[in-house]
Amino acid sequence: EAQLVESGGGSVQPGGSLSLSCAASGFTFSDHSLNWVRQTPGKGLEWISYISRDGSDIYHADSVKGRITVSRDNAKTSLYLQMTNLRAEDTAAYYCTRNLKDNSGSFDLWGQGALVTVSS
Amino acid sequence: DIQMTQSPSSLSASVGDRVTITCRASQSIMSYLNWYQENSGKAPKLLIYVSSTLHSGVPSRFAGSGSGTYFTLTISNLQPEDFGTYYCQQSYITPWTFGQGTKVEVK
Repeated sequence: EAQLVESGGGSVQPGGSLSLSCAASGFTFSDHSLNWVRQTPGKGLEWISYISRDGSDIYHADSVKGRITVSRDNAKTSLYLQMTNLRAEDTAAYYCTRNLKDNSGSFDLWGQGALVTVSS
Repeated sequence: DIQMTQSPSSLSASVGDRVTITCRASQSIMSYLNWYQENSGKAPKLLIYVSSTLHSGVPSRFAGSGSGTYFTLTISNLQPEDFGTYYCQQSYITPWTFGQGTKVEVK
């Protein structure tokens, strides 16, 4: 069964940084581009980052641009997110998502989410 | 950024009802519109992509239509497991953006 499992969430102070990992299993990891999507009660669902199958193309939302680094390791079937200079508005559940093979932007597999709380 | 607006924000329905949710884009997105279902605090699930294509395993009581700026999701013969929140999302251009959600509740 195809699966994505995030890890690394927790509580972070404003101005701090976070690192999340997403371990994939049950499918050919290198066949799919991937994303990070976050969800808050106030703003709802927000796509924040895309990475292509080989990692050569990366796009970010303006809300995180300059503060985010996304990478993947196809050998380890893992996706990574690092974010710096965290703000209260970065408090969210962070999901890694998989794109359909022929429809980038259609998220056909989601992880269970990693909760990040930015608070002093 | 393309704004996605769903209506209604919530609705009440009974098992067996037919339910329609609409989604409007602030500019044309051709048919690059996806629908997701979220329930019981779990991660959203893809229901429909490119406006009307049912994702694998999704029951045929779900149907999507539309193009350009106006889209609909119809659930026929509403089942108990269909109560939850539905989101539309455009995949026409990054940043890919979501609607605010429509909560389908038990009447």
